[in-house]
Amino acid sequence: LAKTTQPISMDSYEGQEVNITCSHNNIATNDYITWYQQFPSQGPRFIIQGYKTKVTNEVASLFIPADRKSSTLSLPRVSLSDTAVYYCLVVGDTGRRALTFGSGTRLQVQP
Amino acid sequence: GAVVSQHPSWVICKSGTSVKIECRSLDFQATTMFWYRQFPKQSLMLMATSNEGSKATYEQGVEKDKFLINHASLTLSTLTVTSAHPEDSSFYICSALPGLATDEQFFGPGTRLTVL
Repeated sequence: LAKTTQPISMDSYEGQEVNITCSHNNIATNDYITWYQQFPSQGPRFIIQGYKTKVTNEVASLFIPADRKSSTLSLPRVSLSDTAVYYCLVVGDTGRRALTFGSGTRLQVQP
Repeated sequence: GAVVSQHPSWVICKSGTSVKIECRSLDFQATTMFWYRQFPKQSLMLMATSNEGSKATYEQGVEKDKFLINHASLTLSTLTVTSAHPEDSSFYICSALPGLATDEQFFGPGTRLTVL
């Protein structure tokens, strides 16, 4: 499984765009990049998944360069309710399909 | 989206007692469920993979006799923490896979276990 590295924490203010970058140098050809969000004392929630280039949904955008060794989760105009831990995961067809969570990025949004 | 529930949401017990945590997929069938444990300020750690109708597969370092997992139906998996001790106090989270057609896992809300 490809190891992921992301910043431990980030701070932002309401209304700003937040970009969280994750590196996954050993990503395999069949791996997808997936991001989850977790609020305190809750289970993780799926945000977005992509394979390459750009993916956008109603919550976030995911940018993946051609070499796929990194990815950037972009949260437009964050609010206080976006304060959470964001996990970048590389999900592959390993046959087990269990998720390996890294340390995550703790995003704190200030008013 | 698919909903996974856990019961109880929190439990406090005395050291030496056993605690059962239920994980249910409410609107889909899950042939595979996963159990994770999360200590404060730490990430989720996979404990075991639970397949309906077969024995669970435990991760290295997780005692199968202490953390009993039963996946008796396609909508229910249970985790029993036997002879709980204070070091077992943690946040236990399950997730469920709707089936082979998708890799997206749906997580339960978690169960906070406190052992006194």
